[in-house]
Amino acid sequence: GNSVTQMEGPVTLSEEAFLTINCTYTATGYPSLFWYVQYPGEGLQLLLKATKADDKGSNKGFEATYRKETTSFHLEKGSVQVSDSAVYFCALNSGGYQKVTFGTGTKLQVIP
Amino acid sequence: EAQVTQNPRYLITVTGKKLTVTCSQNMNHEYMSWYRQDPGLGLRQIYYSMNVEVTDKGDVPEGYKVSRKEKRNFPLILESPSPNQTSLYFCASSSLVDSYEKLFFGSGTQLSVL
Repeated sequence: GNSVTQMEGPVTLSEEAFLTINCTYTATGYPSLFWYVQYPGEGLQLLLKATKADDKGSNKGFEATYRKETTSFHLEKGSVQVSDSAVYFCALNSGGYQKVTFGTGTKLQVIP
Repeated sequence: EAQVTQNPRYLITVTGKKLTVTCSQNMNHEYMSWYRQDPGLGLRQIYYSMNVEVTDKGDVPEGYKVSRKEKRNFPLILESPSPNQTSLYFCASSSLVDSYEKLFFGSGTQLSVL
């Protein structure tokens, strides 16, 4: 079956540091890949997505590239802010099946 | 404003006392789903619905029921709650227009079963 593996958290960074959160996946077919963000006390929001190999999703300074050869979709941001503190979930949707599989989430804390 | 509304936001109950968590969306989405979020386990899907009167089990359906009598509403029913159903619950919806790939989430319901 499908699965998503994320790096363990929490991740603590100073403001303006570079962020990488690793995500690898196992899936049949050619899944679409997503990053969702959950701010404290809120539901998840779609941050970015990529639908095919070598696609780069980007939003709010975050980027992730769909790497089929390494089955990875790592999230990066060049300079994090305190307001980026949240839990980040990597997810996939295997084509033709409307069911999203989520990773366990990685908590990011950015300190001033 | 486009939104998914869940109620209640917090709920404390006792073992065996039936409860319903409501979910409503105002975006005319065909697809709705329930997830539970537990530490170290992420989000796991309980049930989903592709349209009115069409529901199917997710990964962890035991102990839960759902219904989809109207397109906008998708209530989650716990007929006889047990302590292992203590969790944070999220309702989500999406649309065929987005190929069901963008999920909109409610703010969550924190359930404690004593």
